[in-house]
Amino acid sequence: KAGVTQTPRYLIKTRGQQVTLSCSPISGHRSVSWYQQTPGQGLQFLFEYFSETQRNKGNFPGRFSGRQFSNSRSEMNVSTLELGDSALYLCASSLALAVHNEQFFGPGTRLTVL
Amino acid sequence: DQQVKQNSPSLSVQEGRISILNCDYTNSMFDYFLWYKKYPAEGPTFLISISSIKDKNEDGRFTVFLNKSAKHLSLHIVPSQPGDSAVYFCAASARGGGADGLTFGKGTHLIIQP
Repeated sequence: KAGVTQTPRYLIKTRGQQVTLSCSPISGHRSVSWYQQTPGQGLQFLFEYFSETQRNKGNFPGRFSGRQFSNSRSEMNVSTLELGDSALYLCASSLALAVHNEQFFGPGTRLTVL
Repeated sequence: DQQVKQNSPSLSVQEGRISILNCDYTNSMFDYFLWYKKYPAEGPTFLISISSIKDKNEDGRFTVFLNKSAKHLSLHIVPSQPGDSAVYFCAASARGGGADGLTFGKGTHLIIQP
């Protein structure tokens, strides 16, 4: 069974631009969660999508948004990029809501904002 | 306010000895705890978990201990091997409700010295 895939793996943007990251969950998994990893803050929860609906949301500004499609694939969008948005963005999938199910992580997308 | 704390950013242990990684939490609603291991350029992988109804869970060389009264858990790796060198994240969830998603600590970088 294929694992969680994320595209692109690396991305360089400039301040003020917007970016869209993609995540394909493990086949059969219906929940997708997004995390931001930075050296100073560790792994921080962004949001979780289940059955195309946002179920949980972390403490991030509205510039961070996401969506989930009917095939469970998910995209995350960051608008008006800031230097502090430079991070590794990790996607994780689980059979159902993450709080009750084991999460499997993708390799991440490394975003650099110049 | 950081609800899951890993106070040691790094830990160096000699090969063959015991590695002890510590984690403290503040949210009394947390009732399920997990450890993840992360290699560079890869997403975190699930290692071991423990429910709050237990105080110990063992899986091969890995044992997790939970002290609910102290809101403290620890991961023991015995014996430590070179392949154990990685960043270890402690995570917590509230399966009974009261918190969203998984809350991660900032990680401890374990270095196994030959």
